Amino acid sequence: GDSVTQMEGPVTLSEEAFLTINCTYTATGYPSLFWYVQYPGEGLQLLLKATKADDKGSNKGFEATYRKETTSFHLEKGSVQVSDSAVYFCALSPSRGFQKLVFGTGTRLLVSP
Amino acid sequence: DAMVIQNPRYQVTQFGKPVTLSCSQTLNHNVMYWYQQKSSQAPKLLFHYYDKDFNNEADTPDNFQSRRPNTSFCFLDIRSPGLGDAAMYLCATSRGETERQETQYFGPGTRLLVL
Repeated sequence: GDSVTQMEGPVTLSEEAFLTINCTYTATGYPSLFWYVQYPGEGLQLLLKATKADDKGSNKGFEATYRKETTSFHLEKGSVQVSDSAVYFCALSPSRGFQKLVFGTGTRLLVSP
Repeated sequence: DAMVIQNPRYQVTQFGKPVTLSCSQTLNHNVMYWYQQKSSQAPKLLFHYYDKDFNNEADTPDNFQSRRPNTSFCFLDIRSPGLGDAAMYLCATSRGETERQETQYFGPGTRLLVL
């Protein structure tokens, strides 16, 4: 079945460092891909999404490109801030049937001053 | 301005004692979802409502039920909670007008502890 694999955390960075969180997926057809973020004590928030191959989603300085040839959707940010500390979830929505999100296990990011 | 509200944020229940979790939304969305998220695991869809139509995931235990009395409210009932049901329960909504590309809006979750 469909699945999402994320790099294990925590990822610990200093402020202004470059961030990459890897995400790969297994799915039939052409799924939509998402990154959600969960700040402490809050619900999941959509960070960015891409719905077809080579699309780039971007928001708040974060970017991810839908790479069908490598089945990947890696999250990047050029310069992280302390306020980016959170858990990041990669997810897909299958290409058939009603929208159903399949999540990865999440990657915790810790940014220190 | 909370859009998806879950109450309570923390719920403690006893083994085998029925418990109900609540979700409400101010978005007037057609679809409401319930996810279960165990510690350090991915959220897992339990079921969803499209308007009044209930859709259960194949592997959701019978112990979990849901009710949606109107557009705004949706409840998760756990008939006989076991220790393995301790988790964060997330409610989400979406418009339901298009497939695949629409956004799901999540509430803050209810953390359930079973003693």
